[in-house]
Amino acid sequence: AQKITQTQPGMFVQEKEAVTLDCTYDTSDQSYGLFWYKQPSSGEMIFLIYQGSYDEQNATEGRYSLNFQKARKSANLVISASQLGDSAMYFCAMRKGAGGTSYGKLTFGQGTILTVHP
Amino acid sequence: EAGVAQSPRYKIIEKRQSVAFWCNPISGHATLYWYQQILGQGPKLLIQFQNNGVVDDSQLPKDRFSAERLKGVDSTLKIQPAKLEDSAVYLCASSFRAGVETQYFGPGTRLLVL
Repeated sequence: AQKITQTQPGMFVQEKEAVTLDCTYDTSDQSYGLFWYKQPSSGEMIFLIYQGSYDEQNATEGRYSLNFQKARKSANLVISASQLGDSAMYFCAMRKGAGGTSYGKLTFGQGTILTVHP
Repeated sequence: EAGVAQSPRYKIIEKRQSVAFWCNPISGHATLYWYQQILGQGPKLLIQFQNNGVVDDSQLPKDRFSAERLKGVDSTLKIQPAKLEDSAVYLCASSFRAGVETQYFGPGTRLLVL
């Protein structure tokens, strides 16, 4: 079974500063994918970034980067230059398999509420 | 490109009543998912469709929940009869196929059971 743990219920950051949201995972699979989603108060889940278990480079998407440490089973999200619009709930999730053999179901963590102060 | 559409956005019912939610995925997306998100928790998969066939419904409470995806496009999720613990946000998501593609989520339906 897969499990995602997000130990930070809430995080605060000053505008324009960087912030790291923690995520650890547990799986017996060798092949898996890791995701981060943002959920604003409006409710929709917005995809941010993806990391495959076989990817050697950390994923980056604009101001988002994923600090992937496979041996520690961690996949922390780093947001650089925080903006007020980054205030939201952030979820880490994983999916069995990577590449063409992956399966669709996402397993989510409990989430971290990020508040960006001006 | 239009996103995943869901309706209604909000629904309030009394326990033991029935309710139905509708989802229209992104055009061309073969895989459709229904997730339940209870307040303060991450979403949990209820059912996954590949075209109009069920791939995974292991966490669907089949005594009260049912879902269908006719013609491999739109999908309906039904609860009958509803219980208080069904109060949650029901999220529909779709992806081009059940592979590496990202799942795109709709705005969700917020259900309150009184």
